[in-house]
Order: sequence, then C-alpha cells, then structure tokens
Amino acid sequence: QVQLVESGGGLVKPGGSLRLSCATSGFTFSDYYMSWIRQAPGKGLDWVSYISSGGSTTYDADSVKGRFTISRDNAKNLLYLQMNSLRAEDTAIYYCARSTGTYSPFDSWGQGTLVTVSS
Amino acid sequence: DIVMTQSPDSLAVSLGERATINCKSSRSVLHSSDNKNYLAWYQQKPGQPPKLLLYWASTRASGVPDRFGGSGSGTDFTLTISSLQAEDVAVYYCQQYFSTPPYTFGQGTKLEIK
Repeated sequence: QVQLVESGGGLVKPGGSLRLSCATSGFTFSDYYMSWIRQAPGKGLDWVSYISSGGSTTYDADSVKGRFTISRDNAKNLLYLQMNSLRAEDTAIYYCARSTGTYSPFDSWGQGTLVTVSS
Repeated sequence: DIVMTQSPDSLAVSLGERATINCKSSRSVLHSSDNKNYLAWYQQKPGQPPKLLLYWASTRASGVPDRFGGSGSGTDFTLTISSLQAEDVAVYYCQQYFSTPPYTFGQGTKLEIK
C-alpha cells in the first residue's frame, strides 16, 4: 500500500537549519508530483513547496522563498525539504503529500513530522 | 493568489442530520478547457493527516462513503454530509488546484456532534 513517512523534525533555534525527508513506498515515486504542506499548532493547512515528477520544476510559497529548498531522489524514492534561516513562525507539523500532476489534488499524505523553532 | 474562504468556521449537527459546509474562491476555479472545477475537499480527524474526500468538486475519492457529496461550480461550492455519523467529527478543508502553485486551502470548518 501507499506509504509516505516523514522524518527529520525536531527542536531548532531561530536562524538554524533542518533537513526533512519523506520516504515513500507502494507506488512508482518517479510518476508523482510531490509537495510539502505544513500545519502550525491548532491552525489550518499551508502549502509550502512543490516539485515535479522529474524534479525539474519547483515552486515555493512566498513565506519560505529563498530559505527552503525542495528536492527529490527518484532512485531512492525520497523527497527532501532543506530548511534554512528558520523562524518561530515556521513551527509546524510538516506533511509530504503526492499528486498525479500540477493540477491535481493531494491524494495521499504522510503522518507528518514536527518542527519546533524556539530559543 | 486564489483565496479560499469557508463558512461556517464551526458547526454542530445532530447524529443522522445533514451537515453543510460552504467554500468560496476569490476567482473561478472552473477550467474552460475541460469544464471541470479544480476544487478538492479534505477531512482531518484529530491527530491524523488530512484525507482526500472529494475532487473535481464532486467526485468521491476511493473508499469515501456516499453520504459525502460535493456540489457547486465556479466560485461557490458545498460539502454535504447527508446523515452525520459519529466518525465524521473532524475539520474539513477545501483546496483549489486550478492555478500553478501556490495551492491554497480554506481556513477549515470544525464539525462536531450536537
């Protein structure tokens, strides 16, 4: 069955860095577009970054542009989010999610990994 | 960016009764090329990730009970639960995938049992 498992979250100080990973299985990873979506504690869903199936096209939310970088390794079925210059407002559960194309819904989500930015 | 606005923010409905959640987009998400509305609904239960319920505004995702229905076109959409069950307690989100990212979600509607 389809599985997406995030890892790499934790407590980091403002200005610090983290790299999140999303390990996938149960589907042909290279056929799917992937995104990171976050949810601050008690808040709604906030799309963060997108990467095309081959990795050639990426988009980022304005709030993370220049600080976060999405990437993927199709040979290892892994999705990444490199997060630099972290701020308190980046504190959230980060979910990876897949879609079949740019103009498609998110049909499977991971369980999420919590990132806490605090001194 | 397309702004998605849901109403109400919270809702309490008796078991077996109908629940209705609305979603409005700041511009049309109906694509003229295929006459489809690029609008999805998700359900998020406490402590769980969101789950896709409906896409193309009214198509149920695999395994979703038929008491969940979606309607609307253009800028105004509705999620209806025809007969509320206890397991439907959750927060519901609409999301547009009409435009190239940013994808945008509504703020969520919390559904509880009356």
